[in-house]
Amino acid sequence: KNQVEQSPQSLIILEGKNCTLQCNYTVSPFSNLRWYKQDTGRGPVSLTIMTFSENTKSNGRYTATLDADTKQSSLHITASQLSDSASYICVVFYTGGFKTIFGAGTRLFVKA
Amino acid sequence: DVKVTQSSRYLVKRTGEKVFLECVQDMDHENMFWYRQDPGLGLRLIYFSYDVKMKEKGDIPEGYSVSREKKERFSLILESASTNQTSMYLCASSLWDRGATNEKLFFGSGTQLSVL
Repeated sequence: KNQVEQSPQSLIILEGKNCTLQCNYTVSPFSNLRWYKQDTGRGPVSLTIMTFSENTKSNGRYTATLDADTKQSSLHITASQLSDSASYICVVFYTGGFKTIFGAGTRLFVKA
Repeated sequence: DVKVTQSSRYLVKRTGEKVFLECVQDMDHENMFWYRQDPGLGLRLIYFSYDVKMKEKGDIPEGYSVSREKKERFSLILESASTNQTSMYLCASSLWDRGATNEKLFFGSGTQLSVL
C-alpha cells in the first residue's frame, strides 16, 4: 500500500535551536517528494521539491534530504524562529496512478 | 503569485442542510482539487477536476458532489450535511499535463465547516 508516514507527530523546540523532521514512504514508483509548510488557518505552501535522483535541496534555513534506497526523507530547520511554528507535510507524487499522497504532518511549536 | 480563494473561512451548518463550498483560482490552471483535512489523518482527496465539466472521484467521495462549470471555479456540495463531515476543507489547483511528473499544488486558506 502506498503510504507516507511522518514523525514525530508534534515537536516543541526553543527559538534558535535546530530540528529534524522525518518522512518514511512506501510509495512506488514515485517521481518527486515535496515538503509543504502549513501555517495555522492557512493552506499548505510548497517549501522544497526533490526528484528521486536528488539527495538534498535547500531553501534558506530549510534543508531537505532524500534517500530513495531506504525511502526516507528529512527536513532540517536551522536556527528556528517563532514563525517556523507550523505543520510540515511530506508529500510524494505516485506516478503509478498520477496521484499525490500526503503524510499526516508534523506539528512544530517554536517557543521564545 | 497564484491565488486560490475559498469563499468562507468558517461555516456552521445543521445536519441535513445542503452546503456549498466555493473555490476560485486566478491562474488559468486546468486541475482543481477538493481535500478534507482531519487531525492525524492528513489531507484526503474528495474529488478533482482536470477540465471544465470534468470530474473524478478521489479517495473519499461519498456524501459529496462537485461542479465545475467554469475553468476558474470548482464547487464542493454536501447534499445533506452530516456531523461526520465536520472538517477543514481545502481547495487546490495545479498546472500539470498528464505526461508530466511534477505536480505543484497551490492551496486556498481552507474552510472550517462545523455540522451540528
